[in-house]
Amino acid sequence: GAVVSQHPSWVICKSGTSVKIECRSLDFQATTMFWYRQFPKQSLMLMATSNEGSKATYEQGVEKDKFLINHASLTLSTLTVTSAHPEDSSFYICSARGRGQATGELFFGEGSRLTVL
Amino acid sequence: SQKIEQNSEALNIQEGKTATLTCNYTNYSPAYLQWYRQDPGRGPVFLLLIRENEKEKRKERLKVTFDTTLKQSLFHITASQPADSATYLCALDGQAGTALIFGKGTTLSVSS
Repeated sequence: GAVVSQHPSWVICKSGTSVKIECRSLDFQATTMFWYRQFPKQSLMLMATSNEGSKATYEQGVEKDKFLINHASLTLSTLTVTSAHPEDSSFYICSARGRGQATGELFFGEGSRLTVL
Repeated sequence: SQKIEQNSEALNIQEGKTATLTCNYTNYSPAYLQWYRQDPGRGPVFLLLIRENEKEKRKERLKVTFDTTLKQSLFHITASQPADSATYLCALDGQAGTALIFGKGTTLSVSS
């Protein structure tokens, strides 16, 4: 199947700093990328949907100024957690769909565990 | 709003037995339903997709059923092995038609 790479796998930062997480599709063009957040023993919660070259669409309750999403190319999307606080500590996972694949399976990255001290 | 329930948080079975996981949903009629496997600290991995007009789908030791009347999907792993131990997530397409909405998952433990 298609490969999605996410980096970094884990990151620890101080409260108030910003953290950037990268999501790359390695062997296909990802026209749509989705960012999810997962707390322990909870389901994946969709944060936002981003289409290449356009602004991300955020789910209700997700602050777009806090979670900046950029999908500048067909192979790269980034999530920046700005002014991170301990409550932002979570497992962030990106996923992608390729061109012409409006529905169907999602290809997930390995996830990034963020710990804010 | 759409709601997905995987009513067993954990399931423990013996090696060789069949594991059956349940996924129920409300307030929606999905065009398809998917099952994913997630290992600790890893991203989900796609297993099977079943469409609304399909009753059953099989892949090796995996079988998925989809009952749109009951609004339920059953996920079976036959001849289970310790390597099958993981969390299994049910997902359905959201109203936007592109994103997936996930259940909380059922953590399966297969003991030898």
